[in-house]
Amino acid sequence: DTGVSQDPRHKITKRGQNVTFRCDPISEHNRLYWYRQTLGQGPEFLTYFQNEAQLEKSRLLSDRFSAERPKGSFSTLEIQRTEQGDSAMYLCASSPRTGPDTQYFGPGTRLTVL
Amino acid sequence: AQSVTQPDIHITVSEGASLELRCNYSYGATPYLFWYVQSPGQGLQLLLKYFSGDTLVQGIKGFEAEFKRSQSSFNLRKPSVHWSDAAEYFCAVGDAAGNKLTFGGGTRVLVKP
Repeated sequence: DTGVSQDPRHKITKRGQNVTFRCDPISEHNRLYWYRQTLGQGPEFLTYFQNEAQLEKSRLLSDRFSAERPKGSFSTLEIQRTEQGDSAMYLCASSPRTGPDTQYFGPGTRLTVL
Repeated sequence: AQSVTQPDIHITVSEGASLELRCNYSYGATPYLFWYVQSPGQGLQLLLKYFSGDTLVQGIKGFEAEFKRSQSSFNLRKPSVHWSDAAEYFCAVGDAAGNKLTFGGGTRVLVKP
């Protein structure tokens, strides 16, 4: 079983540009989560999907952020008009079912906004 | 709202010595507790979890943790650390619906030879 994969692993962009990250969960995992981790901090929840439905969004997720999970498989996280404060590691995780269960994390995408 | 506190930001331990990392949580209902480890530039790897049952749980890499409801704690221990245990360790609490994890700020462990 392959793990959660994320692409790209690193992204450097200029302030004001749009960026998109992709996450491929473990096959048949129906829950997919996005977290953001800034330097020296623990991950913070952004949003999660149950299949293709986005069920919860954190207040951290401003209107410049949008996430999708078409067909309940991979997910994308887009940040529009990036700001320097968006620089962080963006982590994706998946879990196999509803209810409490282990979340399996991908390697993350490190975003640097210049 | 749920929250997690890891009081120790950094811990330095000699190789072969024992290690204990503290975690205190706040959650109104039955907590679902996790410890993850993160090596530099890597994602998070699950060490162990507690959902119910025996309050002393065993994990991978020789780690164990004890759930103490009266103290709202879930401390992680290892009897003898190896240089490869140098990493950042995160405690997290989840809710019954599995909606999200709330993480502590992490404890960075340095291992001296």
